[in-house]
Amino acid sequence: NAGVTQTPKFRILKIGQSMTLQCTQDMNHNYMYWYRQDPGMGLKLIYYSVGAGITDKGEVPNGYNVSRSTTEDFPLRLELAAPSQTSVYFCASSPASLSYEQYFGPGTRLTVT
Amino acid sequence: AQSVTQPDIHITVSEGASLELRCNYSYGATPYLFWYVQSPGQGLQLLLKYFSGDTLVQGIKGFEAEFKRSQSSFNLRKPSVHWSDAAEYFCAVGIIQGAQKLVFGQGTRLTINP
Repeated sequence: NAGVTQTPKFRILKIGQSMTLQCTQDMNHNYMYWYRQDPGMGLKLIYYSVGAGITDKGEVPNGYNVSRSTTEDFPLRLELAAPSQTSVYFCASSPASLSYEQYFGPGTRLTVT
Repeated sequence: AQSVTQPDIHITVSEGASLELRCNYSYGATPYLFWYVQSPGQGLQLLLKYFSGDTLVQGIKGFEAEFKRSQSSFNLRKPSVHWSDAAEYFCAVGIIQGAQKLVFGQGTRLTINP
């Protein structure tokens, strides 16, 4: 199993550009999450999904959108990139078993200039 | 509201020395507690977790943590650190808020002196 994979690993965007961060898991997990990590701030939840077709906002959703058309994929869309979106983005997945344990991807480092 | 506090932003220890990283949580119900480790440039890896039962839990890489309900703490320990333990460590509490989620602390960066 590859686990949780994310692409790209690095990206530089200009202000106002858009992009999609890809996330795929091969563990048949129902739950998927997107976090951003800023220095000294821990991980903040952006969006999450409890299954295909169902998504909801987390703590810091502004400026982002998500979709979940399949169990495996959970892309994160940035529209009109802003410098405040410079961060490291992590995707995670979890089985729907109240285990709470999340499995993380390697991350995408995004810089907006 | 649920929260996790890691009081130490950065800790430096010598190789071979013992280690304790502090974690305090705020949660009304019985907590599900986790420690994750993030090596430089990597994602987060689960070190250990506490759900119930024995308050001293063993994890991977020789780490252990002790749950103390009276102190709302879940401190991470290792008797003798190795240079490869240099990383960032995150404490988290599992909650139900629309779905099962994790609330993370701010993280503690561990530096190892040779």
